[in-house]
Amino acid sequence: ELKVEQNPLFLSMQEGKNYTIYCNYSTTSDRLYWYRQDPGKSLESLFVLLSNGAVKQEGRLMASLDTKARLSTLHITAAVHDLSATYFCAVGNQFYFGTGTSLTVIP
Amino acid sequence: DAGVIQSPRHEVTEMGQEVTLRCKPISGHNSLFWYRQTMMRGLELLIYFNNNVPIDDSGMPEDRFSAKMPNASFSTLKIQPSEPRDSAVYFCASSLGGPETQYFGPGTRLLVL
Repeated sequence: ELKVEQNPLFLSMQEGKNYTIYCNYSTTSDRLYWYRQDPGKSLESLFVLLSNGAVKQEGRLMASLDTKARLSTLHITAAVHDLSATYFCAVGNQFYFGTGTSLTVIP
Repeated sequence: DAGVIQSPRHEVTEMGQEVTLRCKPISGHNSLFWYRQTMMRGLELLIYFNNNVPIDDSGMPEDRFSAKMPNASFSTLKIQPSEPRDSAVYFCASSLGGPETQYFGPGTRLLVL
């Protein structure tokens, strides 16, 4: 079974700052997904990354995939309070999920 | 479009009872996914369908769980008999197929006493 590790598990950051969330996985895969979940709510798809070197950006979020390193990053630029949520990565055809990163942006 | 519709939104039942969860995907989407979320196990893919055909059910925990998709606009996830450890939030999602963006329903919160 593919193992997926996210770090950090918890992240508290000030508005305006930059930070990166990491998603490492144990076996080769060429597809990776990022999701957002607000407390008590459903999930929202953020990015689908399908090849080595893929980079996608939406607003203050940018995701990248390095299949050789088995690593994806979700970079947050100039954080705002509305980005507070839990972020999950999922890997492979069977959608193995990471444990999630709970992000709190402090005004 | 109304998005992915799930029913019921909340279900409380007693151990041993049959539970049926329902999902209506977004019109035109041909892939449908069932997920489960618990504090202990996190998010898990249970099964997914493509063009109404089950493609991968390796995440279905045991024979007590079954899923069907009789047509492109409806799917069910059934648990019989239910057990307290089945308590979770069950999400349904749909997509246009392949590794495309998924759209999630609001979830069904199941509590088995």
